[in-house]
Amino acid sequence: AQKVTQAQTEISVVEKEDVTLDCVYETRDTTYYLFWYKQPPSGELVFLIRRNSFDEQNEISGRYSWNFQKSTSSFNFTITASQVVDSAVYFCALSGGTYKYIFGTGTRLKVLA
Amino acid sequence: NAGVMQNPRHLVRRRGQEARLRCSPMKGHSHVYWYRQLPEEGLKFMVYLQKENIIDESGMPKERFSAEFPKEGPSILRIQQVVRGDSAAYFCASSPPQGVSTEAFFGQGTRLTVV
Repeated sequence: AQKVTQAQTEISVVEKEDVTLDCVYETRDTTYYLFWYKQPPSGELVFLIRRNSFDEQNEISGRYSWNFQKSTSSFNFTITASQVVDSAVYFCALSGGTYKYIFGTGTRLKVLA
Repeated sequence: NAGVMQNPRHLVRRRGQEARLRCSPMKGHSHVYWYRQLPEEGLKFMVYLQKENIIDESGMPKERFSAEFPKEGPSILRIQQVVRGDSAAYFCASSPPQGVSTEAFFGQGTRLTVV
């Protein structure tokens, strides 16, 4: 069975703090894809990153970075120097070689000015 | 390059009415997926369609829900005789023929409220 767990329901930080959103997944597939999406208050889903199971390189994009560790089945997302505009719900998702995305329940991030 | 277009963005229906949600995939995309997001929950897969074919509807409720993706025009998710529990955000995603090897692009969603 495939599963994505985002244990942090809600996180509040003060602007400029760093914050890490945790994502733990379960799958028996050897080939799979992991994703992060942002859902701002306006409600749309904004694609942030896709990572396949053979690529364990960490990635940095501006203030965003992702740490993929197969050994712990985790794909964590860090925002450096958070800003109020980062306030959103963040979803981690898994696609196990099929067309179905398995989403976590999301982490609501509140960045306070 | 227009993204995945969903309309309407917001839809209010009384109990017992029908709801029709539309999704136009990105240009060149031939795969469409519908997901439902209940309040305070993640998205759950409902159905996967290609042009004129339902490939997998395992996530769709057995009754009242149907989906189509005709040769011409948008994909339609139809909910008959809506009930309060159908209130949710419905997201459509599309991907190119290569399918899951690339990311699915999501529309902005349709928020259905049943009163």
